[in-house]
Parts: sequence; structure tokens; C-alpha cells
Amino acid sequence: EVQLVQSGAEVKKPGESLKISCQSSGSSLTNYWIAWVRQMPGQGLEWMGIIYPGDSDTKYSPSFKGQVTISADKSISTAYLQWSSLKASDTAIYYCATLHCTSTSCLSGFDYWGQGTLVTVSS
Amino acid sequence: SYELTQPPSVSVSPGQTARVTCSGDALPKQYAYWYQQKSGQAPVLVIYKDSERPSGIPERFSGSSSGTTVTLTISGVQAEDEADYYCQSVDSNGTSYVFGTGTKVTV
Repeated sequence: EVQLVQSGAEVKKPGESLKISCQSSGSSLTNYWIAWVRQMPGQGLEWMGIIYPGDSDTKYSPSFKGQVTISADKSISTAYLQWSSLKASDTAIYYCATLHCTSTSCLSGFDYWGQGTLVTVSS
Repeated sequence: SYELTQPPSVSVSPGQTARVTCSGDALPKQYAYWYQQKSGQAPVLVIYKDSERPSGIPERFSGSSSGTTVTLTISGVQAEDEADYYCQSVDSNGTSYVFGTGTKVTV
């Protein structure tokens, strides 16, 4: 069974940079994709993007492309989400989740989730 | 951009049946998935590929699909089922994932 452990809560000021992490255990990180999902306070879930750590193939939601960078280091089974210049509107809980795929399709749904990382951006 | 529409809330008495709908134009050709999110917790996958149940999910959770609408059914609702429920699918091109607007189920 896969376990995803995310980095701890962050409090940042507008304009600062940030990189949060999602470390996998229990299965090789090259067996699935890792997605990032945003949940703003009191709001719903938003898919941000997804990465295959095996070759770093990455897809972004049009809403988040250019706003964040998704990366991964398969040698330490860790995926990352980073911002170069945070805004107050980036305040949210960020979840990582796995998507298992075969050679032809990805039909598992987001089956394992991290515990979430709360990012607070305030002056 | 592609959207999945859910009712904001559903209220049900214990032991009754709750039905949560999700509508989207691409649902006839793309599978739907359902997630349960209890207050202060990460989401949990409860239905995949329209109607399949992951191991460990109670049998009272079921899913169905008809045209542009998919439905999550909770039979014999229990107090512990009170949560927010989100559908999820992909756009018609299969390149962009999307979550529904979410439904709060109150028991």
C-alpha cells in the first residue's frame, strides 16, 4: 500500500518563494503519477497538475499553468510543488495524490492521498 | 473549461438512501470517480470507473451512470457518512482532470 507524507504547514509573506514536498513509501514512485490538488478555505477541490516521476512528464491545469511548478526526484521518491512569488490568494491546503496507470490508461482514480499541507500567505 | 455540476447539499435521515448527482458533457465517454471528504481530513476514493468500489469501502456506497449524469448512492445512510462528496472525471480529450463542485451530505 502506498503512503504519501507531505511537508509541514508554511506561513509566508506575499512575494516569497516556496517549495512543498510529497514523499512516497510502500511502492516505487515510478509505478504511478502524482497529482497536486488545491483546496482554498471553505471551498472545493481543484486539480492543479500531475507528474510521472519516472521521466518527469508533467501536465498542468490551464488555470495553474505558469503559476506553479511541479517536479519530482525519483531517487528519493518525492514530488514537489513550488511557487516563485506567492500571493495571498495562494492560501490553501495542498494535497498530493496518486494515479495508477497501465501502459494504455489511467483508470484508478486518485487512490491514495497525502495528509495535506496548509500554506498561509499573509503580510 | 470543462465543468462538473453537483447539487450544493443533500439532506437525509439515518437509514434512508442518499443520491448525489454529477452532470458533465463528457461523462458519456469518460469514467467518473467519487471522493468522500470528512471535515478536516483528506479526501478518500469511494467509487472508481463509474461503479467500482475500492477495497475497504462499505457496500452501501454504489455508483451508476446514465448519459451526461453520474450518481453516487449511499444506501442505509449512517451518521458517519456525513461529509462532502466530490465527483471527478477528465475532459473529452482525456488531458485535463476536473473535480465537481461538491455536495455536502447532511445526516
